[in-house]
Amino acid sequence: AQRVTQPEKLLSVFKGAPVELKCNYSYSGSPELFWYVQYSRQRLQLLLRHISRESIKGFTADLNKGETSFHLKKPFAQEEDSAMYYCALHSQGGSEKLVFGKGTKLTVNP
Amino acid sequence: NAGVTQTPKFRVLKTGQSMTLLCAQDMNHEYMYWYRQDPGMGLRLIHYSVGEGTTAKGEVPDGYNVSRLKKQNFLLGLESAAPSQTSVYFCASSSILLAYEQYFGPGTRLTVT
Repeated sequence: AQRVTQPEKLLSVFKGAPVELKCNYSYSGSPELFWYVQYSRQRLQLLLRHISRESIKGFTADLNKGETSFHLKKPFAQEEDSAMYYCALHSQGGSEKLVFGKGTKLTVNP
Repeated sequence: NAGVTQTPKFRVLKTGQSMTLLCAQDMNHEYMYWYRQDPGMGLRLIHYSVGEGTTAKGEVPDGYNVSRLKKQNFLLGLESAAPSQTSVYFCASSSILLAYEQYFGPGTRLTVT
């Protein structure tokens, strides 16, 4: 069964501090992992995907197949990073669905 | 382009009442989805559609029905609302080739008293 676990419901850091949002997955095949973000009063939107290995708004995420993890990291958090973050899994092979974690609410304090 | 739009934005229902939520997308996407978002539960898939005239059950389909009569529209119906259906409902759409990149609507906040 496909499952995405985000162990922290809430995460609070100070501006300028490093931040790491944890995501672990369970999937027997080769997954595609993504991070979605929902800023206050905005729509949920795709933040980044593991396959592109890109940095978006200073965030990066590396897929660790050995640890089945896809943690989201940023070295210096900003107040505008405060949002709800969802980790999502997409199974390869043409699946039309995403499996979302329960989300982590990040608050960056001034 | 408006992207994904949802109607209405807010609604209050009494237990037992019915209503239909409308989702429309102008991106010519094949796939459409209905989710509910609840505190501590994240996003849960209610129903989805891979094309006009087809629908399928998601993770939490009970108490809901859907229809996709036109490619651009996806309707979510509650035949007899219950307080447990108080939630924020999101519609999303995606293309076949990039199914993982879902575009979300602004949400509908539904309260059932």
